[in-house]
Amino acid sequence: AQKVTQAQTEISVVEKEDVTLDCVYETRDTTYYLFWYKQPPSGELVFLIRRNSFDEQNEISGRYSWNFQKSTSSFNFTITASQVVDSAVYFCALSQGGSEKLVFGKGTKLTVNP
Amino acid sequence: DVKVTQSSRYLVKRTGEKVFLECVQDMDHENMFWYRQDPGLGLRLIYFSYDVKMKEKGDIPEGYSVSREKKERFSLILESASTNQTSMYLCASSSPLGQYYEQYFGPGTRLTVT
Repeated sequence: AQKVTQAQTEISVVEKEDVTLDCVYETRDTTYYLFWYKQPPSGELVFLIRRNSFDEQNEISGRYSWNFQKSTSSFNFTITASQVVDSAVYFCALSQGGSEKLVFGKGTKLTVNP
Repeated sequence: DVKVTQSSRYLVKRTGEKVFLECVQDMDHENMFWYRQDPGLGLRLIYFSYDVKMKEKGDIPEGYSVSREKKERFSLILESASTNQTSMYLCASSSPLGQYYEQYFGPGTRLTVT
């Protein structure tokens, strides 16, 4: 069965600190996709990144970076020089190739204090 | 940009009432989803639809039904609302063509059943 674990329920940092959000997944499928979503206090989930199981290259987008490691079934998300606007709940999600459905982790609430 | 709209941001209903939550997407997506989000439980899939008049149960369908008469609209129905259905309800849509099942979310409806 598919499963996504976000072990960190809540994280609190001070502005400008770097922070890493962990995501560990379980799947038996060889083709799958991993996602990160951000849910700010307004409530709407915002798509951040998608990665397929054949592409283990890490990705950087501005202050955001993602580290995908198949060997440890992890897809971690790092925010560099965090800002107050990064405060949100972040969800990691997994889909199998060919499936329309996503399995979500329980989310990590990040609070960035000024 | 994809836009997913939900009929209400906040809704208060009484126990036993029939409740309709409406979701509309404007990107001609085949797939539409209803989730509920509860603290500590993350997002749980209630139902999804992969085509007009087609539906499939998610992880927690009990107490809910859905309707999809038109491609752009997906309704969630609580036949007889109960207090344990107080929650945030999120609608999403996706297309299997070219976007690897990335889901786009609406702003959510916070339902309170008293």
